[in-house]
Amino acid sequence: AQRVTQPEKLLSVFKGAPVELKCNYSYSGSPELFWYVQYSRQRLQLLLRHISRESIKGFTADLNKGETSFHLKKPFAQEEDSAMYYCALSGSARQLTFGSGTQLTVLP
Amino acid sequence: DTEVTQTPKHLVMGMTNKKSLKCEQHMGHRAMYWYKQKAKKPPELMFVYSYEKLSINESVPSRFSPECPNSSLLNLHLHALQPEDSALYLCASSQDSGGSQSDTQYFGPGTRLTVL
Repeated sequence: AQRVTQPEKLLSVFKGAPVELKCNYSYSGSPELFWYVQYSRQRLQLLLRHISRESIKGFTADLNKGETSFHLKKPFAQEEDSAMYYCALSGSARQLTFGSGTQLTVLP
Repeated sequence: DTEVTQTPKHLVMGMTNKKSLKCEQHMGHRAMYWYKQKAKKPPELMFVYSYEKLSINESVPSRFSPECPNSSLLNLHLHALQPEDSALYLCASSQDSGGSQSDTQYFGPGTRLTVL
């Protein structure tokens, strides 16, 4: 079975502060991990995936297989980063399993 | 066209009604998905079509009936729904390239369904 845990339902930070959204997973094989973002009144969209190792909108995430984590980080949060963030895992069946999500609010 | 579109945006129906949700993509993707998303919850997979064939049905009640008429279209037929079926229904598509890595799924804006 595959499972994704996002321990923080809500997270608030001030503009310019660093932000880290936590994601832990459980999967017996070699997983693929994703971060999806849903801005207010917009569709769910891919932010980044671990295999591409890109930095999108200043966000990065590193897959740590030892700690089974894929935390999302940004050194300086912006107000436009306020959104719902979902961590997701794709296993051998190519099905996406989503975490419960973290609502990030960046305060002015 | 690089988007997944869904119609209608909103739908209100009674428990005895029959209605359909539609999803369309013109990105040449060969995998299409239906998800159900309740308020403040993550999307839950319902069905997966791969090359127009149903490949995954996540034990969804038979009052939900998917259909894939062609590679660009995906329908979800609704009949005798219950009030607890009220949710945002999301469609997604992906390449289904068959490689060793998963393909990115692109999501539509969703249809907000209310069952009275």
